[in-house]
Amino acid sequence: QKEVEQNSGPLSVPEGAIASLNCTYSDRGSQSFFWYRQYSGKSPELIMFIYSNGDKEDGRFTAQLNKASQYVSLLIRDSQPSDSATYLCAVNLNDYKLSFGAGTTVTVRA
Amino acid sequence: NAGVTQTPKFQVLKTGQSMTLQCAQDMNHNSMYWYRQDPGMGLRLIYYSASEGTTDKGEVPNGYNVSRLNKREFSLRLESAAPSQTSVYFCASSPGERYSPLHFGNGTRLTVT
Repeated sequence: QKEVEQNSGPLSVPEGAIASLNCTYSDRGSQSFFWYRQYSGKSPELIMFIYSNGDKEDGRFTAQLNKASQYVSLLIRDSQPSDSATYLCAVNLNDYKLSFGAGTTVTVRA
Repeated sequence: NAGVTQTPKFQVLKTGQSMTLQCAQDMNHNSMYWYRQDPGMGLRLIYYSASEGTTDKGEVPNGYNVSRLNKREFSLRLESAAPSQTSVYFCASSPGERYSPLHFGNGTRLTVT
């Protein structure tokens, strides 16, 4: 079983809709969770992090964490064509090491 | 503020050749990392350095060596390149505090023929 799993997509949503991305992880002791966005040919950039159960909102992005279910999600509200990218879920396995999922590709249709 | 700088951006090697990928950060971060990214497999950790003077293996260390030259610089060496090492390589750094996020360089696209 992979440590961090994501649906590879592609996830296609119309402009203005909500995009919902899911991520599950295997290590119940994981403490911190990150969402990175990666445009084609570019490096990953951090968009959200969450440490506590519940929701965390930042602009059009909401991260949701459920440690009991070992599940973290990212919602993108009012999706824009500029949100078309691959979204990587990352989980801290210990103090220093981040493990990444394979990423979900999102396409926002104008 | 340059952040994390990687060189070179592109490289083509023949099987058996060696090379060193360079990485430097100017954010005074304690921890540095090397990842490789292959289609459908996400980012996989090769080696990391939690602090100056220490290095540890990650998920896929075979065929690679690293050197933490000082707090700023962390290099990755391929002693005898193989086609399986064709990939995009990312260097990253973090403050080293618990659970801190990573800041990535722009990547090196390596092809081994």
